Amino acid sequence: DGGITQSPKYLFRKEGQNVTLSCEQNLNHDAMYWYRQDPGQGLRLIYYSQIVNDFQKGDIAEGYSVSREKKESFPLTVTSAQKNPTAFYLCASSKDSQGENTEAFFGQGTRLTVV
Amino acid sequence: DAKTTQPPSMDCAEGRAANLPCNHSTISGNEYVYWYRQIHSQGPQYIIHGLKNNETNEMASLIITEDRKSSTLILPHATLRDTAVYYCIVRAYNFNKFYFGSGTKLNVKP
Repeated sequence: DGGITQSPKYLFRKEGQNVTLSCEQNLNHDAMYWYRQDPGQGLRLIYYSQIVNDFQKGDIAEGYSVSREKKESFPLTVTSAQKNPTAFYLCASSKDSQGENTEAFFGQGTRLTVV
Repeated sequence: DAKTTQPPSMDCAEGRAANLPCNHSTISGNEYVYWYRQIHSQGPQYIIHGLKNNETNEMASLIITEDRKSSTLILPHATLRDTAVYYCIVRAYNFNKFYFGSGTKLNVKP
């Protein structure tokens, strides 16, 4: 089945450690996105990528880094510089960076807890 | 980017139509209205989108006012499984960011 896979579903890390969240899609989508969601809040855009080897900062990119070496993969690294990393992280992809029929498809999320 | 305003919560009786409003008074001509929903601790699910015409699919109907400053998502026969947070999003045609607000928590009651 085609879709977006995020792993792991739950992740625990000690404060000060970097951690990488995985996002893989087999939908042949060009654009991929990372969002952060805090309890009771909407989604906030961290980074997005319109094409391989290119990515742009979203609204809350500080303390995060990404790479897009392959079309199918868009890993997110939460660095020790991120002040409040505990959150629910969602990855999404869409068929094309522009155009009418480009709804985003979401993974099931990774819940990161930093202790 | 156009901002959206939604009521924080709504109740609906099971089997009745759920009408979820969204205000997007600053929307521009090339911006689409999208609706997603999120069931607790899951990824958001796409529902429907439109530009200026009303749209219908197997999940819902989208009614956009003539001036495009507001829209309504209609779930024709709400079930308990429709309990979720519903997000109204405005997205530019040539701009691939999806901005989510706080959404409307729809509570479908038996």
